[in-house]
Amino acid sequence: DAGITQSPRHKVTETGTPVTLRCHQTENHRYMYWYRQDPGHGLRLIHYSYGVKDTDKGEVSDGYSVSRSKTEDFLLTLESATSSQTSVYFCAIREKAVGYEQYFGPGTRLTVT
Amino acid sequence: SQQGEEDPQALSIQEGENATMNCSYKTSINNLQWYRQNSGRGLVHLILIRSNEREKHSGRLRVTLDTSKKSSSLLITASRAADTASYFCATEPNAGNMLTFGGGTRLMVKP
Repeated sequence: DAGITQSPRHKVTETGTPVTLRCHQTENHRYMYWYRQDPGHGLRLIHYSYGVKDTDKGEVSDGYSVSRSKTEDFLLTLESATSSQTSVYFCAIREKAVGYEQYFGPGTRLTVT
Repeated sequence: SQQGEEDPQALSIQEGENATMNCSYKTSINNLQWYRQNSGRGLVHLILIRSNEREKHSGRLRVTLDTSKKSSSLLITASRAADTASYFCATEPNAGNMLTFGGGTRLMVKP
């Protein structure tokens, strides 16, 4: 898994509660990404980071926030979880910008009841 | 919205047969990438083809890119049961540093 870990791997939470997912890398890559995967939609980008404290929105950023205080960690926060955020969340890293592959973590399955 | 659209959505073949998956996209790209995902796992990068390339090979994989038609194909030759997975194309624009994924093709290779 290219030195990428995600925690937790599974989580069940109630509507309205805050949730934070963590992505940790050991590769010292500059670029980190958060995606969600839902049936029929493939992977959709939520947020990405291009350096410490440098982040930007993706296609489906509403309801999510991110933080990156150090190179190795990229946190995804659902401030108030909703059932529509039930999904599988993947973190990915990339060494450089355009023209390079991404390496994916194992995923976090989140269920919001 | 999805930049890449894979076709077919699902494909079932016998071991030893070839599998062909297609990807269409809408806007100009810097490169197109193919990924594989086994059930319950993260995506694994297979191959990257740049906009100025027309064909690329990696082992049993052959990828073509037709920028005039905004389409790509992934051919897996002599398929094996272990090739059973979902396959996704992803496009990257000239500006920006993010990939846009299609909905994927589910491939089942029967032994």
